[in-house]
Amino acid sequence: AQSVAQPEDQVNVAEGNPLTVKCTYSVSGNPYLFWYVQYPNRGLQFLLKYITGDNLVKGSYGFEAEFNKSQTSFHLKKPSALVSDSALYFCAVRDRGRDDKIIFGKGTRLHILP
Amino acid sequence: KAGVTQTPRYLIKTRGQQVTLSCSPISGHRSVSWYQQTPGQGLQFLFEYFSETQRNKGNFPGRFSGRQFSNSRSEMNVSTLELGDSALYLCASSPQGAANEKLFFGSGTQLSVL
Repeated sequence: AQSVAQPEDQVNVAEGNPLTVKCTYSVSGNPYLFWYVQYPNRGLQFLLKYITGDNLVKGSYGFEAEFNKSQTSFHLKKPSALVSDSALYFCAVRDRGRDDKIIFGKGTRLHILP
Repeated sequence: KAGVTQTPRYLIKTRGQQVTLSCSPISGHRSVSWYQQTPGQGLQFLFEYFSETQRNKGNFPGRFSGRQFSNSRSEMNVSTLELGDSALYLCASSPQGAANEKLFFGSGTQLSVL
């Protein structure tokens, strides 16, 4: 069965510092991996996805994520955090080649401290 | 292009009642999926519809049901409401519902069951 783990409920980072939001996954086959962000009182917005090819994926708002097959991880990163990055972040996985449902992690709340 | 539209934005119901939520996808999108978001459980997949057919279903009781119309608009119904059904219900659309497509989310319907 597919699963996604976001081990940190909350991450605090000082503005200007690099940030990392962790995600690990489990699928029976090869994964499609996604990151979404949710700002207060809003729906989710797509940030980036890994489909195939380069393990480093670049997305919206300066975010990037690295696919690591051996560690089954897809951590979200940004070199320099902004206060406006404060939001709830969700990692999601879908099993490639199967007509299966998407599984979301429980979310990580990111606080960027001014 | 208009985004995904969900109505109503807020709902207050009492236990035992039923409720219907509506979702209008982005024009041209044929896949609509529904999610329940709660602080404790994160984001959980309810079901997905494509061309008026339910293509996938999450692990929710039969009280949760949905349908999709020929114009791709979708409704979700919850019967015999329970206190635990209080949540933000999100709808998302995508062009073909393919596993590698990103999802476009609406702002959600906040349901409170008293």
